[in-house]
Amino acid sequence: KNQVEQSPQSLIILEGKNCTLQCNYTVSPFSNLRWYKQDTGRGPVSLTIMTFSENTKSNGRYTATLDADTKQSSLHITASQLSDSASYICVVTSGGWGKLQFGAGTQVVVTP
Amino acid sequence: GAVVSQHPSWVICKSGTSVKIECRSLDFQATTMFWYRQFPKQSLMLMATSNEGSKATYEQGVEKDKFLINHASLTLSTLTVTSAHPEDSSFYICSASLAASTQETQYFGPGTRLLVL
Repeated sequence: KNQVEQSPQSLIILEGKNCTLQCNYTVSPFSNLRWYKQDTGRGPVSLTIMTFSENTKSNGRYTATLDADTKQSSLHITASQLSDSASYICVVTSGGWGKLQFGAGTQVVVTP
Repeated sequence: GAVVSQHPSWVICKSGTSVKIECRSLDFQATTMFWYRQFPKQSLMLMATSNEGSKATYEQGVEKDKFLINHASLTLSTLTVTSAHPEDSSFYICSASLAASTQETQYFGPGTRLLVL
C-alpha cells in the first residue's frame, strides 16, 4: 500500500478559478513534505517544502498547508492559469536515511 | 542553479538492443544520483541509487544486470537498459543530490522517454 495517497486523481478547472489538492500520508518517521509540479514529459519541479513545524508555505499562487498531527497536506492553487495544467506530486521524506515516498499525483487540467 | 540534464530526451529502439541514457549535473557536483522510472499516471519509482566511484544500490525487484548504472564522475551518471524489451518502455528520470547517500535536496532531470518496439 502506498504510504502517500493523493486526491483527487484528476481535476478539471476553469481558468481563473481556485482549486485544492489533497495529500494524506502514513510515512513515519516524518522529515519533510514537498509538492512538485510535473509538466507532461518533463521532470518534477519543486514548488514547496515543509518540515514538521511548518503549517503553511507559499510560492506565488501556490500555497501548501501541513497538519503533521493528522498527516495531511493540501496544495491550493489560486487564480489558475493555463500553464498550471500539470501533474502535482506530493512527496514525503522519511527520517533517518531521507527516503522519498511519492504520491501518484493529481492531474490538473485548466481550461479556457 | 542546480540544473540536471538528461540525454537523449526520447529514444525509440528495437527489441533486443541496448540503450544508454545520460544524466548530468550542469552546475554542481553530485555525490549521489538517483534513477527513477515512471509509468503513465503512476508515481515515480526509485530504481537505484548511484554514488560516484562505487557500485549502485538497486531497489528490490530491479534487475541490476538489465539496468546497468555507471557513475564515473561527480557530474555524470549513465543508465544502460540492456537487451531492451517492450515492457521496458517507460519514462526514465534521474535526479542528483548535493548530500551524500540521501534523497534530500535532490534536483530532477527532464526525463527520457524510451519506447521499445
